[in-house]
Amino acid sequence: SAVISQKPSRDICQRGTSLTIQCQVDSQVTMMFWYRQQPGQSLTLIATANQGSEATYESGFVIDKFPISRPNLTFSTLTVSNMSPEDSSIYLCSVYKNTGELFFGEGSRLTVL
Amino acid sequence: SQQGEEDPQALSIQEGENATMNCSYKTSINNLQWYRQNSGRGLVHLILIRSNEREKHSGRLRVTLDTSKKSSSLLITASRAADTASYFCATDAWNQGGKLIFGQGTELSVKP
Repeated sequence: SAVISQKPSRDICQRGTSLTIQCQVDSQVTMMFWYRQQPGQSLTLIATANQGSEATYESGFVIDKFPISRPNLTFSTLTVSNMSPEDSSIYLCSVYKNTGELFFGEGSRLTVL
Repeated sequence: SQQGEEDPQALSIQEGENATMNCSYKTSINNLQWYRQNSGRGLVHLILIRSNEREKHSGRLRVTLDTSKKSSSLLITASRAADTASYFCATDAWNQGGKLIFGQGTELSVKP
């Protein structure tokens, strides 16, 4: 398995502000992903965080709204910019191990007022 | 894009009973994975079954995969109250570059 730490675990933010979520993995991993889970919903992939290059975003997600950094093979950040109540979700970092299994952090629960 | 569809959406059983959840998908896959999510928490990886496998066991969990029907099932035997959670299937398709696509999930409630 992989140990994945996310910070913050939860936060309450005001509309119009931005929040950066950190993801730290206990070992080097090639592929790292960010998912969003809106209340009562399943997971939706936001983007693939690429080490040393720009993230690859899924349809419906853009860099200006969700900038992502991946400075090395064990760390990534996701910023939720100019937040609105619709951004209230759980944001989850995930990584692949070489077994093909995808492991998740505990998630960051964001509430936007 | 491909998405797993799960049924039932919600399942309520008594402790000791078996729980079966089903997942269907649309395109060819490398593997299919099952996850559990306790309320408001991260996802716990349960089991991975590859496209060339038909059945896999892990403790009280049994997963089957029928690639001809593009479906999978998760069976939890002798359920416990602690099994109460949401269960998700996720598929890794050949053309998705390692990205998993998640189903909508089944909410399981096990009553003591």
